[in-house]
Amino acid sequence: KAGVTQTPRYLIKTRGQQVTLSCSPISGHRSVSWYQQTPGQGLQFLFEYFSETQRNKGNFPGRFSGRQFSNSRSEMNVSTLELGDSALYLCASSFGTLRTDNTEAFFGQGTRLTVV
Amino acid sequence: AQTVTQSQPEMSVQEAETVTLSCTYDTSESDYYLFWYKQPPSRQMILVIRQEAYKQQNATENRFSVNFQKAAKSFSLKISDSQLGDAAMYFCAYKGGGADGLTFGKGTHLIIQP
Repeated sequence: KAGVTQTPRYLIKTRGQQVTLSCSPISGHRSVSWYQQTPGQGLQFLFEYFSETQRNKGNFPGRFSGRQFSNSRSEMNVSTLELGDSALYLCASSFGTLRTDNTEAFFGQGTRLTVV
Repeated sequence: AQTVTQSQPEMSVQEAETVTLSCTYDTSESDYYLFWYKQPPSRQMILVIRQEAYKQQNATENRFSVNFQKAAKSFSLKISDSQLGDAAMYFCAYKGGGADGLTFGKGTHLIIQP
């Protein structure tokens, strides 16, 4: 069974640009959540999608957005990139939602975004 | 809002020895879940062990066990017979019934001395 796949693995963008990251969950999983990991702030929850609906959202500006498709694949978009957006972005998939289900969240290897 | 605190930025242990990583959390909820995740240099987060707050029995997974003290809001991880492959960042995480996903601590860097 394939794990969680995130693409691309590495990305370099210029300030002011926008970027789209992709996450393909484990087959059969309907919940996808996104996290930002930085040395200063650690791991912070961005948002969670379940059955194409955003269920939960962390404390991030509106420049961070996402969506989920009918096949459960998810994308997150960051517009008007800032230097502070440089981070490792991790995606996790699980069978249920984070709110009501305690099934294990399986993480991808992340996308390393560098903003210059 | 819930908070998770890991007071040990770095720990070092000799191979085959036992080490305990500390985690405390703050919450007003009574029903929640606690996790320990391992993040090796490959950066992939791997679930080590999970504890449901309503269960009094401490969770155990092979060489990994927890000491869950609900009243004290403490959730420490004990690794027995440490192996070189255990070297990694270890994150304590909380999940409650709210809308904030997983709340992570800052992590403990575990070094295994051969």
